[in-house]
Amino acid sequence: QVQLVQSGAEVKKPGASVKVSCKTSGYTFSSSDINWVRQATGQGLEWMGWMNPYSGTSGYAQKFVGRVTMTRDTSTSTAYMELTSLRSDDTAVYFCARVAYGSGEPIFDNWGQGTLVTVSS
Amino acid sequence: SYVLTQAPSVSVAPGETARITCGGDKVGNKNVHWYQQKTGQAPLLVISENDDRPSGIPERFSGSNSGNMAILTISRVEAADEADFYCQIWSSTSDHPVFGGGTKLTV
Repeated sequence: QVQLVQSGAEVKKPGASVKVSCKTSGYTFSSSDINWVRQATGQGLEWMGWMNPYSGTSGYAQKFVGRVTMTRDTSTSTAYMELTSLRSDDTAVYFCARVAYGSGEPIFDNWGQGTLVTVSS
Repeated sequence: SYVLTQAPSVSVAPGETARITCGGDKVGNKNVHWYQQKTGQAPLLVISENDDRPSGIPERFSGSNSGNMAILTISRVEAADEADFYCQIWSSTSDHPVFGGGTKLTV
């Protein structure tokens, strides 16, 4: 079965960077985009961007341009999301999500378990 | 940018029918997906493309979409259905997903 397993919780100081991993299994890694979505405590879902594992290309929500980078390692079927210049309001649970295509539009059909990133001095 | 509006909370008794709404301008012309998120867990796709139920999702979950409103209906609600529910569309103009603010279902 499809599985996305994320790395463990992180505590970072303001200004630092964090890199979260998302190890996939149960399907062909290069065949489906990986998106990243975050959720602050008690808040809704906020989309951050996408990465195509086949080509390595990526696209980011305007809010995160310049601070986020999404990459992959095809040898281990793992996707990564790195966020730099962390601020306290980046404290959130970060999810990776696999994309399936319905009528040509992306659908998030499988999600990682989430990684809590806490930014605190 | 496109906005999806959900009521913050819905409360139903066990065995009743819950209807969770998602409003948006001409949302009936878009494909709406629904996710269930239980406390401390990742979202789970429960309805895709307005009314398709992924494998493993109970038949009690159904969806509809017309005009300016999409609706997730949960029949014979159980205590285990208690969760936050999010609707989502893909914005073709901005080429990214848009999520509703979420509805907390209390059973």
